[in-house]
Amino acid sequence: DTAVSQTPKYLVTQMGNDKSIKCEQNLGHDTMYWYKQDSKKFLKIMFSYNNKELIINETVPNRFSPKSPDKAHLNLHINSLELGDSAVYFCASSQVRVGTEAFFGQGTRLTVV
Amino acid sequence: GIQVEQSPPDLILQEGANSTLRCNFSDSVNNLQWFHQNPWGQLINLFYIPSGTKQNGRLSATTVATERYSLLYISSSQTTDSGVYFCAVEQAGGTSYGKLTFGQGTILTVHP
Repeated sequence: DTAVSQTPKYLVTQMGNDKSIKCEQNLGHDTMYWYKQDSKKFLKIMFSYNNKELIINETVPNRFSPKSPDKAHLNLHINSLELGDSAVYFCASSQVRVGTEAFFGQGTRLTVV
Repeated sequence: GIQVEQSPPDLILQEGANSTLRCNFSDSVNNLQWFHQNPWGQLINLFYIPSGTKQNGRLSATTVATERYSLLYISSSQTTDSGVYFCAVEQAGGTSYGKLTFGQGTILTVHP
């Protein structure tokens, strides 16, 4: 039983295309996140949603648009992909009010060519 | 925002050796987690340890919140311990909403 699952695992696409990454969690958590890991392995938060409401937006270009249809799902849409968007994108979830640990999905390696 | 520094940046060990990884952070935290990113890229939860000491098999961790550091101990290292170890913290203060700030990681290589 995968706690946080994201699809696809690998995504290769051309510059200018629009793509989506999907994320689902079955932990019953109220908060979900998107993190980006760059080529130097540095991990940085992009967005956070609490009960379908956007609560953190870390100055990410507006070509990136998260969407949360319900608190178990958080999808990431990326428009007009650029070479610099190539990275590994991780979805995560946690139960913020309780202050418990965050769990991460397996990551989506996006390559823009 | 909070700063997180990990040391050493790289560590090379022979199988069976012990090691200590350090994480320093610049402000009070609600949450501190250690992760292992394996060679396949998965982020594996090792410890949720905002304070105190925990042990899990050959791994243990200690966080001294008042002095703003955490240590991860790996004993009798194995080749499967290779990968990147991340420390991540949530800054205290009520406005972080679970946001984790990561250190730059320690790259561990264990040779047989």
